[in-house]
Amino acid sequence: KAGVTQTPRYLIKTRGQQVTLSCSPISGHRSVSWYQQTPGQGLQFLFEYFSETQRNKGNFPGRFSGRQFSNSRSEMNVSTLELGDSALYLCASSLGTVLHTEAFFGQGTRLTVV
Amino acid sequence: AQKVTQAQTEISVVEKEDVTLDCVYETRDTTYYLFWYKQPPSGELVFLIRRNSFDEQNEISGRYSWNFQKSTSSFNFTITASQVVDSAVYFCALSEAGAQKLVFGQGTRLTINP
Repeated sequence: KAGVTQTPRYLIKTRGQQVTLSCSPISGHRSVSWYQQTPGQGLQFLFEYFSETQRNKGNFPGRFSGRQFSNSRSEMNVSTLELGDSALYLCASSLGTVLHTEAFFGQGTRLTVV
Repeated sequence: AQKVTQAQTEISVVEKEDVTLDCVYETRDTTYYLFWYKQPPSGELVFLIRRNSFDEQNEISGRYSWNFQKSTSSFNFTITASQVVDSAVYFCALSEAGAQKLVFGQGTRLTINP
């Protein structure tokens, strides 16, 4: 069974640009969540999508957005990049049921903003 | 508000020693879920265990064991006879019923020296 796949693995962008990250969940998983990991703030929840709908949202500015497609693949977009957006972005997939089954994470996309 | 505290930032032990990683959580919900994840240098978060708030039984899996105590809001993780391959950052996380969102502690960096 294939795991969670995130692309690309590494990105270097310039301040002011925008970026799109992609996540393919485990087959059969309908929930995809995104997390930002930085040395200062640790792991922080961005948002969760389930059946193409944003179901939960963290405390991030509107520059951070996402979407989910009918095949459960998800993308997140960051517009008007700032230096502070440099981070490891992790995607997690789960069944998304009320039983809160475990989330499986991808290897992440390391974004560097210069 | 939910909060997870891992007071130990870094732990360093010699191989074959036992080591316990502490996790204390805060939540107002009576139904919640606790998790432990391991993050090796590759960056991917590896799921270790999930526990719901109604199940206070301790669990043992090989050299790993977990002690869940609701009375002290703690969910500690012990590695017995540690090995160099156990070196990683370990995260404790909490999710509340109705929200597919993990709140992570700051992580404990565990180094096992040969």
